[in-house]
Amino acid sequence: DSGVTQTPKHLITATGQRVTLRCSPRSGDLSVYWYQQSLDQGLQFLIQYYNGEERAKGNILERFSAQQFPDLHSELNLSSLELGDSALYFCASSVAEGNYGYTFGSGTRLTVV
Amino acid sequence: GNSVTQMEGPVTLSEEAFLTINCTYTATGYPSLFWYVQYPGEGLQLLLKATKADDKGSNKGFEATYRKETTSFHLEKGSVQVSDSAVYFCALILWQDKLIFGTGTLLAVQP
Repeated sequence: DSGVTQTPKHLITATGQRVTLRCSPRSGDLSVYWYQQSLDQGLQFLIQYYNGEERAKGNILERFSAQQFPDLHSELNLSSLELGDSALYFCASSVAEGNYGYTFGSGTRLTVV
Repeated sequence: GNSVTQMEGPVTLSEEAFLTINCTYTATGYPSLFWYVQYPGEGLQLLLKATKADDKGSNKGFEATYRKETTSFHLEKGSVQVSDSAVYFCALILWQDKLIFGTGTLLAVQP
């Protein structure tokens, strides 16, 4: 157990729908990062939050959004889902910004049918 | 931009063989370097890291040395086991930036 908790582990939904992925960071970690892993794109950085504030954005689609709450858990919202959004979505956390390594959760596997 | 390049996989080895997975990087500055491992059906686990030139990271028999002159961080293990079969990712991070991954290298170890 890495200490980073992601729910749900698996999600199957239809095109056009909206889903919410949840992440609880490791205790004491203030930064949360979301990554998408797909076969053709590899590991793509989506977005980072630090202590409730958005810090960096990567290749995140406009249909996707995220937030970090006062208790530091984070949610990634994916809307108007397309078949191509099927992927593994990972959350990671780190104690602070800087050149620290991240601790990853076990991921949420999203299948859009 | 900052990037990581890994050797293409899959790498197929027999048990007890020597492993090298090549990783080179491009960075505007002095990054920290990491190897992560992803076992089938699981998330990424930090395998080892090095934060400055000539540092050697090591864990579970794996080693990698931060070579600034060749901008490399090759992963090595003297004797692989079937249980080492996984995808290995090289990654870098610069101060207050995000972790950037290579494309990953699949290692398959046969008994």
